[in-house]
Amino acid sequence: GAGVSQSPSNKVTEKGKDVELRCDPISGHTALYWYRQSLGQGLEFLIYFQGNSAPDKSGLPSDRFSAERTGGSVSTLTIQRTQQEDSAVYLCASSILAGGYNEQFFGPGTRLTVL
Amino acid sequence: GEDVEQSLFLSVREGDSSVINCTYTDSSSTYLYWYKQEPGAGLQLLTYIFSNMDMKQDQRLTVLLNKKDKHLSLRIADTQTGDSAIYFCAESHNYGQNFVFGPGTRLSVLP
Repeated sequence: GAGVSQSPSNKVTEKGKDVELRCDPISGHTALYWYRQSLGQGLEFLIYFQGNSAPDKSGLPSDRFSAERTGGSVSTLTIQRTQQEDSAVYLCASSILAGGYNEQFFGPGTRLTVL
Repeated sequence: GEDVEQSLFLSVREGDSSVINCTYTDSSSTYLYWYKQEPGAGLQLLTYIFSNMDMKQDQRLTVLLNKKDKHLSLRIADTQTGDSAIYFCAESHNYGQNFVFGPGTRLSVLP
C-alpha cells in the first residue's frame, strides 16, 4: 500500500513487559513522527526523526521509552517495563517536509493495553 | 510553552453548519491545520492555512484565521452524518518540526 502502516494494530501486554511498535512510513518521506493519543486526550508528541539528523526526543515521557529509525525508513518505538498509564493509541506519521508546508500522513495507530 | 485549545464536543443537526473553534498561543506559528480522525483510523489532513491569510475556502469547508486573537475556526456547511469525527486543530513552524495539536473536538451529527 501507499500509506503509512503500523503493526501490530492491537497489543495487549502485562505490566512490566517490554513492547515494540513498528511504523513503515511512506517511501521517500524523510520525516517521521511518533505521537501518543490517550483516551479523550489530544496528540502528545513523542519523538521526531528527520533524515540523518539527531532525533528530537523532547517528547518522550520517561527513559523507558526509546525509538530507532533504521536506514531512514522503518521506525520502532520500544517501551520497557510497561505501566498501566502507557495504555494509549500510538500513532506514527511521515512527511516530505516540502518547503514550509508540512502535511503529515498518519498511520492507523497501534492500540496498546497494559493490564 | 505552546498550547492549542479546543472545545471537546459539538453536536449539530444534519444539514446545519458546524463551526469548530481553536485558539493557540504561539504567535510565530507559520501554518495552521485541521485534521479529521474517524473512528479507529489515523488522522487525515482536511485543510491548512498559512498565517498571512485570513480565510480559505475549499468546497464545504471554510477556515477563518484571526491572527491578532490567535483564533482559528473551521466551518462545515451542510453537515452530513459522514462528517461525524474528531477534528484536531494543529500549528507548526520551523518547517513543521514543532507540531502542536489541540485535544480534538468530537463532532456528532444528529439526524
